[in-house]
Amino acid sequence: GQQLNQSPQSMFIQEGEDVSMNCTSSSIFNTWLWYKQDPGEGPVLLIALYKAGELTSNGRLTAQFGITRKDSFLNISASIPSDVGIYFCAGCVTGNQFYFGTGTSLTVIP
Amino acid sequence: EAQVTQNPRYLITVTGKKLTVTCSQNMNHEYMSWYRQDPGLGLRQIYYSMNVEVTDKGDVPEGYKVSRKEKRNFPLILESPSPNQTSLYFCASAPGTSGRVWETQYFGPGTRLLVL
Repeated sequence: GQQLNQSPQSMFIQEGEDVSMNCTSSSIFNTWLWYKQDPGEGPVLLIALYKAGELTSNGRLTAQFGITRKDSFLNISASIPSDVGIYFCAGCVTGNQFYFGTGTSLTVIP
Repeated sequence: EAQVTQNPRYLITVTGKKLTVTCSQNMNHEYMSWYRQDPGLGLRQIYYSMNVEVTDKGDVPEGYKVSRKEKRNFPLILESPSPNQTSLYFCASAPGTSGRVWETQYFGPGTRLLVL
């Protein structure tokens, strides 16, 4: 199956710092998605990207669809304790079949 | 309340003993899907269904079966579970009619399965 590699695998940051993570694939995707998973819960969609080069924001979160269509980036500005969780990227080709990244675990130290 | 429910939430079983994990949604969604989540691998799609009697393989379908006899239910069947199927399983549903199922894909709470 498709492999989506996320980095870093985990991050420990101070409250108020900015966070950057990325996701790379060996294949081209038509849609890139970013999810957040809280402990004991299912993933929740944060941002969806539909076009190469697209930059989309959702509050303090900004994500970009890479020009090559093989990568995507997520930035979180001014982190707060409730940002803690696992962040997943996902790529979609057909619209119904999803490939998820390996996840980035974020810990925010107050 | 709109929700996706899964049962059981936790299950310990032994190799070879058939089991079914149920998934039910009360939102009249066409699209439903099963994922497994493993440390270091993220979520991987097992099967998905675009509507009643329509199912398709995802990335890791081996060892699993599904059925979609009614719109609200999408059970995951493990005919002969093996230890490598020990995982956290998520069911999800979405309206499906917009063509962008991810925009409104609701995930269930997860089922943690241990196969001894």
